[in-house]
Formats: sequence, C-alpha cells, structure tokens
Amino acid sequence: NAGVTQTPKFRILKIGQSMTLQCTQDMNHNYMYWYRQDPGMGLKLIYYSVGAGITDKGEVPNGYNVSRSTTEDFPLRLELAAPSQTSVYFCASSYPDSHEQYFGPGTRLTVT
Amino acid sequence: AQKVTQAQTEISVVEKEDVTLDCVYETRDTTYYLFWYKQPPSGELVFLIRRNSFDEQNEISGRYSWNFQKSTSSFNFTITASQVVDSAVYFCALSGGGTGTASKLTFGTGTRLQVTL
Repeated sequence: NAGVTQTPKFRILKIGQSMTLQCTQDMNHNYMYWYRQDPGMGLKLIYYSVGAGITDKGEVPNGYNVSRSTTEDFPLRLELAAPSQTSVYFCASSYPDSHEQYFGPGTRLTVT
Repeated sequence: AQKVTQAQTEISVVEKEDVTLDCVYETRDTTYYLFWYKQPPSGELVFLIRRNSFDEQNEISGRYSWNFQKSTSSFNFTITASQVVDSAVYFCALSGGGTGTASKLTFGTGTRLQVTL
C-alpha cells in the first residue's frame, strides 16, 4: 500500500491564482482530513469528510473548498491564493472505528 | 472547545540524558483520544502513540514512555537515554468523541527537542 499520497510536494503561487492540492489514499478509509501547518505551529483542521459526497468545515476553512466524489480522493481547492495561505498542507485518513490518522508527506505552498 | 498546551517551546539536552515533554489538555468530551506525533527535520509526521480516555495505564516502549493522568489532564512523554536521532518537533494532539465519530485532531504548538553530542 502506498498509504496517503499528496501532490505536488512543492508549489509557488502568485497572489490571486488558484490551484488544487491532490490527496489520495489506498487504505479504503472512510474518513479524510485536510490540515495546514504554519511555521512554528501545530496543525489546524481545514476540512474533513466522513465519506463520498459528505464534507464539513474544520477550524480554518475560509479560502478553501473541498469535494469528495470517491472514497480514495479528497482534493483541496484554493480559489484566490493569498499570502496568508503560505503553509504546509497535510492530508490524512482514518477508519470510522479508529481515531488514529495516517498522514501524507505534505505539500509546501508559498504564495507571493 | 478542545485545547492542547505544550508549554515547552524548545528543549536542549546532551545525548544519553532523559527528557520529558509536557502536554496538558482541555476537553468536555467524556470519551477522547490523546496522541503524540514526531516531526523530524524532513517534515513528515510520525505517529508514536494513541491513548483513549478510559485507559490510564502508562506504557513503555523501548526508550519511550508515556504518563497519562486524567486528574491533572496531562499526557507527558519521556525519552530515556536520548539520542541525536531523537531531535525533532514533538506534537501532542487530542481528538474528542467515541468510535464512529470523525477524528478531528487538535494539536499543541509542539516542543522542539535538540539532542547534542
């Protein structure tokens, strides 16, 4: 199993551009999550999904959108990139009966 | 609302010293889970341990040990005989709710551990 994979690993955006961060898991996990980690800080939850077609906001959802059309994929969309969205983004997944999350390697995003 | 506090921002020790990382949490949930993650300089998150709120038995795994005390809302982590490879940022995290609920983790701000020769 590849586990949780994220693409790209690095990206530089200009202010106002849009992009999609990809996340895929091959463990058949129902639950998936997106977090951001700002420099020197812990992770904060952006959005999460408990299954295909179901998404909900986390602590810091503003400026982001998500969709969940399949169990495997949970893309994160930035519509109008702002410098405040410069961060490392982590995707994670888990089974419904376990609170243990499996994290991807992260995407480092810089908005200038 | 949930909260995790890691008061130690940075700790420096000499190799072979023991070091304890502190974690204090707040939650209104009666069922919850506590975690420790390690983030080495390469940036990935490495899962270390999970504890549920009904299991206060402390655990030792090799050089790692954990002390969970509900009475003081603490979940401390000790590394015995530290090594240079232990240098990393360590995060304590909390997830409320029982099985079948989404695990929305609340992270502390992390403790950076520097182990030198």
